[in-house]
Amino acid sequence: QKEVEQDPGPLSVPEGAIVSLNCTYSNSAFQYFMWYRQYSRKGPELLMYTYSSGNKEDGRFTAQVDKSSKYISLFIRDSQPSDSATYLCAMNAGGTSYGKLTFGQGTILTVHP
Amino acid sequence: SQTIHQWPATLVQPVGSPLSLECTVEGTSNPNLYWYRQAAGRGLQLLFYSVGIGQISSEVPQNLSASRPQDRQFILSSKKLLLSDSGFYLCAWSVRGKGNQPQHFGDGTRLSIL
Repeated sequence: QKEVEQDPGPLSVPEGAIVSLNCTYSNSAFQYFMWYRQYSRKGPELLMYTYSSGNKEDGRFTAQVDKSSKYISLFIRDSQPSDSATYLCAMNAGGTSYGKLTFGQGTILTVHP
Repeated sequence: SQTIHQWPATLVQPVGSPLSLECTVEGTSNPNLYWYRQAAGRGLQLLFYSVGIGQISSEVPQNLSASRPQDRQFILSSKKLLLSDSGFYLCAWSVRGKGNQPQHFGDGTRLSIL
């Protein structure tokens, strides 16, 4: 079993839809959670960083963490064609000096006009 | 603000040739530095990380090596490339000494081995 499972999609939605992206994990030591957006032929760009259960909102993006269920989500409201990208979840147990991240496989999202 | 630069953006090399990819970070001091490889549909694989000049740790045995000759410079090398070295190579940095901080990525080098 992989430490982090992420539905690879692809996910295709119409413009304006609410998008839900999800990751589950098995390692209860993970305490810090990130979402990255990666456009084609570019590096991942940090979208959200959270370290506690609950919700964190930034504009159209909401990150949700449920540590009891080992489940994290990223919601995108009023999705736009510019949101079309691969979304990667990543997590970190902390406790080391160098910050080892464990990534999901990525979900490919297409928002069509 | 901090920026990270990688070059070249694209590289085509014959099997058996040497490799040198360079990464530099601006706007921060003493960062942690990382090299990843991303294969299509397979997520990111951590290759090397460094917490200081000359300090390199390898995550997986492979045909590649890394060096950190200066605080904000990280180099990925190979003496003889294999076909299996093809992929998308990403450099990243994070705040040093804080193992819970997110990493910030460059735009990568797409390496094709012929």
